[in-house]
Amino acid sequence: ETGVTQTPRHLVMGMTNKKSLKCEQHLGHNAMYWYKQSAKKPLELMFVYNFKEQTENNSVPSRFSPECPNSSHLFLHLHTLQPEDSALYLCASSQDSGAETQYFGPGTRLLVL
Amino acid sequence: RKEVEQDPGPFNVPEGATVAFNCTYSNSASQSFFWYRQDCRKEPKLLMSVYSSGNEDGRFTAQLNRASQYISLLIRDSKLSDSATYLCVVNTDNYGQNFVFGPGTRLSVLP
Repeated sequence: ETGVTQTPRHLVMGMTNKKSLKCEQHLGHNAMYWYKQSAKKPLELMFVYNFKEQTENNSVPSRFSPECPNSSHLFLHLHTLQPEDSALYLCASSQDSGAETQYFGPGTRLLVL
Repeated sequence: RKEVEQDPGPFNVPEGATVAFNCTYSNSASQSFFWYRQDCRKEPKLLMSVYSSGNEDGRFTAQLNRASQYISLLIRDSKLSDSATYLCVVNTDNYGQNFVFGPGTRLSVLP
């Protein structure tokens, strides 16, 4: 399935590096999301964009910076991360109404050394 | 209290068994409900939405009890391919923007 794609699929970075995660959806959706999935924890919603406007920021540290240039693309800029930020970062998209389901990308598995 | 709680699992069942998963949610204003499945090292995928009247899709039946804030998923005649983690998901926002995931219940169907 290629509805939601994410790159890179795997990333190893040092605490002083700057990197970006990219997400692209080909479903014509208007809402896009970033989630974090750590081992043994539920998925945590990080950011929500609806029609390119950020509508949710769930108390995410400023070392994570999202960017949504258009409804099809979503970025997560990373800088000065900590080892505890190592996790699977999942992008999802949906239509903008309340009952719509979400479609997930394959995720980027991030390791911070 | 966590927003969405699920049976801790894991559930190990033989092929052909019937298995039921339970989920409770704390926000009484929650609007919509879903079951997702997540295979090992893969992304979550929608299994089914959960409607107030209950709904069935083949071997899968989902029930919602708004008064008790309880959701269930029943799998009949389980197959080896049903082995996965089942995630209960609750949308707590009228505008569809706050999806809260439960911790998941792992199912292993054994030959």
